[in-house]
Amino acid sequence: DGGITQSPKYLFRKEGQNVTLSCEQNLNHDAMYWYRQDPGQGLRLIYYSQIVNDFQKGDIAEGYSVSREKKESFPLTVTSAQKNPTAFYLCASSTGGGLAGEQFFGPGTRLTVL
Amino acid sequence: AQKITQTQPGMFVQEKEAVTLDCTYDTSDPSYGLFWYKQPSSGEMIFLIYQGSYDQQNATEGRYSLNFQKARKSANLVISASQLGDSAMYFCAMREAYSNYQLIWGAGTKLIIKP
Repeated sequence: DGGITQSPKYLFRKEGQNVTLSCEQNLNHDAMYWYRQDPGQGLRLIYYSQIVNDFQKGDIAEGYSVSREKKESFPLTVTSAQKNPTAFYLCASSTGGGLAGEQFFGPGTRLTVL
Repeated sequence: AQKITQTQPGMFVQEKEAVTLDCTYDTSDPSYGLFWYKQPSSGEMIFLIYQGSYDQQNATEGRYSLNFQKARKSANLVISASQLGDSAMYFCAMREAYSNYQLIWGAGTKLIIKP
């Protein structure tokens, strides 16, 4: 079955630690995205990548970093510079540019800073 | 300024009734697309329906339809014959060519279906 996997489902981090969230897709999609969701709010874009070895900052990139070395994978690192990292993180992919293509989402990772 | 506004933070609806979830948007781009997603308590976002700005007819997908009123910049989601499994958060989102085709999201509406 094609889809997007994210791991881990729950992640606990001590203050000052970097953590990496995994996102893998087997949909053969060119574009991948990372979103952050806080309680009672919509999604905010952290980073996106439209092609391998290229990525762009979204609206709230500060304190985060990404890489896109393979088409299937788009890991997100939450660094110690991120002041308030406790949130729900969603990874998505799509076929690429244009208006109509919907984004497909993974199940999410819930990060809690202790 | 908010680009996507969902004015109903929460709604209670009786099972089998139809429900309308409101969404208004703001754009000066003549080419845009509007999406609705469902987010159950499990957290995953599920695509429901899409409407393009140049589409002449309102989009429909099974029990979901989109009431697109372009002049009013409104894109309300209508769910017919609601079911208990429809209880979830619902998000409206917009994609503009001006914004490099990135999705802009509303704050969502929490829908609870009562048996």
